[in-house]
Amino acid sequence: QQPVQSPQAVILREGEDAVINCSSSKALYSVHWYRQKHGEAPVFLMILLKGGEQKGHEKISASFNEKKQQSSLYLTASQLSYSGTYFCGTEQRGSARQLTFGSGTQLTVLP
Amino acid sequence: DGGITQSPKYLFRKEGQNVTLSCEQNLNHDAMYWYRQDPGQGLRLIYYSQIVNDFQKGDIAEGYSVSREKKESFPLTVTSAQKNPTAFYLCASSERTVNYGYTFGSGTRLTVV
Repeated sequence: QQPVQSPQAVILREGEDAVINCSSSKALYSVHWYRQKHGEAPVFLMILLKGGEQKGHEKISASFNEKKQQSSLYLTASQLSYSGTYFCGTEQRGSARQLTFGSGTQLTVLP
Repeated sequence: DGGITQSPKYLFRKEGQNVTLSCEQNLNHDAMYWYRQDPGQGLRLIYYSQIVNDFQKGDIAEGYSVSREKKESFPLTVTSAQKNPTAFYLCASSERTVNYGYTFGSGTRLTVV
């Protein structure tokens, strides 16, 4: 069963912040975050492995609440280059590194 | 530079025809994956392989077949049994250990004509 992402779409002005959520009904071992530009391959942003872990990548960071099986991606002071579709991919323990992806969140940053 | 190469970029298939999508990686990754992406949707797993000569079905394997004869190569065949093959196909690879994300190829867009 695929994780649920919210919101489905968000429109921002440059410099504004956004949060994208990913929730699973199954116990998770890790959560990945990817960004995909239209017609291109998804690009890996970060992986979170431990409950409560928080990681950062430039002005993009994420948290993982293992108990709630939830992860959130935080985009701070958004830039035009942040536009794209963001996917979370979830991995269950013992799943041989298979990822199940959410349906994506389309982020548009306007000047 | 290391990476994953998918070919062709665009492919057109006639009804009843089998087609093969190529995926080659020079990252020395053990694991390789095929995903299908439909417009406005997430990625769905077709097949994956953890080691040479071994592969497993994913969530939507019906109508597809794969082989893993070499570590670098993981071709996907879309057979005539796949009734709705028009989609964007993505190949990915990863290390078998944790802490690494997937590296994706640039994709093949398959259209039935």
